[in-house]
Amino acid sequence: GIQVEQSPPDLILQEGANSTLRCNFSDSVNNLQWFHQNPWGQLINLFYIPSGTKQNGRLSATTVATERYSLLYISSSQTTDSGVYFCAVNQAGTALIFGKGTTLSVSS
Amino acid sequence: GAGVSQSPRYKVAKRGQDVALRCDPISGHVSLFWYQQALGQGPEFLTYFQNEAQLDKSGLPSDRFFAERPEGSVSTLKIQRTQQEDSAVYLCASSLWASGSYEQYFGPGTRLTVT
Repeated sequence: GIQVEQSPPDLILQEGANSTLRCNFSDSVNNLQWFHQNPWGQLINLFYIPSGTKQNGRLSATTVATERYSLLYISSSQTTDSGVYFCAVNQAGTALIFGKGTTLSVSS
Repeated sequence: GAGVSQSPRYKVAKRGQDVALRCDPISGHVSLFWYQQALGQGPEFLTYFQNEAQLDKSGLPSDRFFAERPEGSVSTLKIQRTQQEDSAVYLCASSLWASGSYEQYFGPGTRLTVT
């Protein structure tokens, strides 16, 4: 099956810093999603990005499907950005396969 | 509009008890997925419905796990004779499943603790 690897596993930042999270996947996919899991466990949809670049406020994401990776950029980080960021992929409506996540801690 | 809802949010069961977890998907969403998330791990697939048809149950860990979606809307995940290793967060997700729109939306989860 498809393997999803995320890096780094842990990231500690000061408020205001920028960061880049990476997701590599081992096979062609039709769908890639980025999630933020907040301290209460809710998975919040950040991006649905099988290819290309999208931006939403301080967050942006780029997926290069031909090279099997995606990047999530967080600019001017805030303490509320803390939590676990997951990348997940699938093929045309099937079950999502998740990476192990990147745990982000932002301190003031 | 309303998102995916799950109930109960927390469930404590004694080993050997049966439990039932409910998922209400987003109205009109065709696909419904169940995932299991152990502490410190990413969610892992359990089973998948398209309308009322269960198309894939390959992720169910044992025959003690059973899921249904009889009218193509609400789904129930049932675990019989619970064991300690069943302790986890159970997440439900739904998807519109139309061409070009396979994005999945997750509910808040049910945290199951088996004592």
